[in-house]
Amino acid sequence: DVKVTQSSRYLVKRTGEKVFLECVQDMDHENMFWYRQDPGLGLRLIYFSYDVKMKEKGDIPEGYSVSREKKERFSLILESASTNQTSMYLCASSSSQAGEQYFGPGTRLTVT
Amino acid sequence: GQSLEQPSEVTAVEGAIVQINCTYQTSGFYGLSWYQQHDGGAPTFLSYNALDGLEETGRFSSFLSRSDSYGYLLLQELQMKDSASYFCAAILTGGGNKLTFGTGTQLKVEL
Repeated sequence: DVKVTQSSRYLVKRTGEKVFLECVQDMDHENMFWYRQDPGLGLRLIYFSYDVKMKEKGDIPEGYSVSREKKERFSLILESASTNQTSMYLCASSSSQAGEQYFGPGTRLTVT
Repeated sequence: GQSLEQPSEVTAVEGAIVQINCTYQTSGFYGLSWYQQHDGGAPTFLSYNALDGLEETGRFSSFLSRSDSYGYLLLQELQMKDSASYFCAAILTGGGNKLTFGTGTQLKVEL
């Protein structure tokens, strides 16, 4: 069965902390994505990666960076967390152009 | 920029048919996908249209018209478990299966 896992379901951090969100997929997919989801705004793409060590900015990359050292793992880094980064973060992976992405369960991050 | 518009809420009764519309303005459009998301859950893939016309998968069908920059998701024989948010998402050219999502439609199914 296809599986995308995320390191935490809920996370509370303080303003200014460095935050790491981890995502692992077991499907040997080339493409991996990080989104944030906020009420009324849908899912917005932060960064994506189409190969190991390759990354591209999405629509809202400011304040975030990513790392992909291995094919199965894609990390999202908040260099200095701010309250406006409080959100649900969703990781996804895919292998094809067929519009199908597989999502992890999400991490609800609260920055206080 | 890229934008996809959907109604924010739709309400229908159990057993009925409901259509959720999506109009898009994107550059480099490749196809349209639909996702379902229950409260507290992850989005799950429902369907994909690369060509104009209707794609049917059980009770769900999806339609695309490239000339009108328009698509819809049709849900038949509605069940209470269909209450969820539904998102259209445009697949853009450029590789990587990158998606741009609409803001979502909350479907409420009532008895």
